Amino acid sequence: SQQGEEDPQALSIQEGENATMNCSYKTSINNLQWYRQNSGRGLVHLILIRSNEREKHSGRLRVTLDTSKKSSSLLITASRAADTASYFCATEGNNRLAFGKGNQVVVIP
Amino acid sequence: GAGVSQSPSNKVTEKGKDVELRCDPISGHTALYWYRQSLGQGLEFLIYFQGNSAPDKSGLPSDRFSAERTGGSVSTLTIQRTQQEDSAVYLCASSPSTLYEQFFGPGTRLTVL
Repeated sequence: SQQGEEDPQALSIQEGENATMNCSYKTSINNLQWYRQNSGRGLVHLILIRSNEREKHSGRLRVTLDTSKKSSSLLITASRAADTASYFCATEGNNRLAFGKGNQVVVIP
Repeated sequence: GAGVSQSPSNKVTEKGKDVELRCDPISGHTALYWYRQSLGQGLEFLIYFQGNSAPDKSGLPSDRFSAERTGGSVSTLTIQRTQQEDSAVYLCASSPSTLYEQFFGPGTRLTVL
């Protein structure tokens, strides 16, 4: 089954720096999505990139998708303390999301 | 507009009891999903509804788990004879259809003593 896996799993950066997270998956997908989770509760959708897209931007977020390598990256530019959270990639296929284990990002003010 | 809501937000129960978790999706969303999140297993898919039908129940971990959706809206997830390994946060999500972003509720934290 599809399974996103993020790398690295924990990241600590200074406010203003950029944060990059990577995700790999195993099978073909319809799209790949990134979510943020604060305090272990509800997931907030950040960005969706379809399988025929290579790059997408949303505010300070930039997502790339390489279907030949079955990988994606999420870049958060000019990080803020409020960006402190867990970030998950999820691949969409077979009418479900398959999530990776998540990246814990801590932005130090 | 209103997002996905779930109730209760927290549930503590004794081993062997049945529990019922509720999800109110965003109005008009035909697709509804249940996931659960636990420390050991991460985020796992449980079941997917398209309208009132559940074409994919493959994620349900055992026959103690069941779910239904009525009127194409509210869904309930029932766990019978709860076990300690059922302790997790149960998350519901809805979507206008498949292949779109999913909107998640705040979750129900279930603790089985």
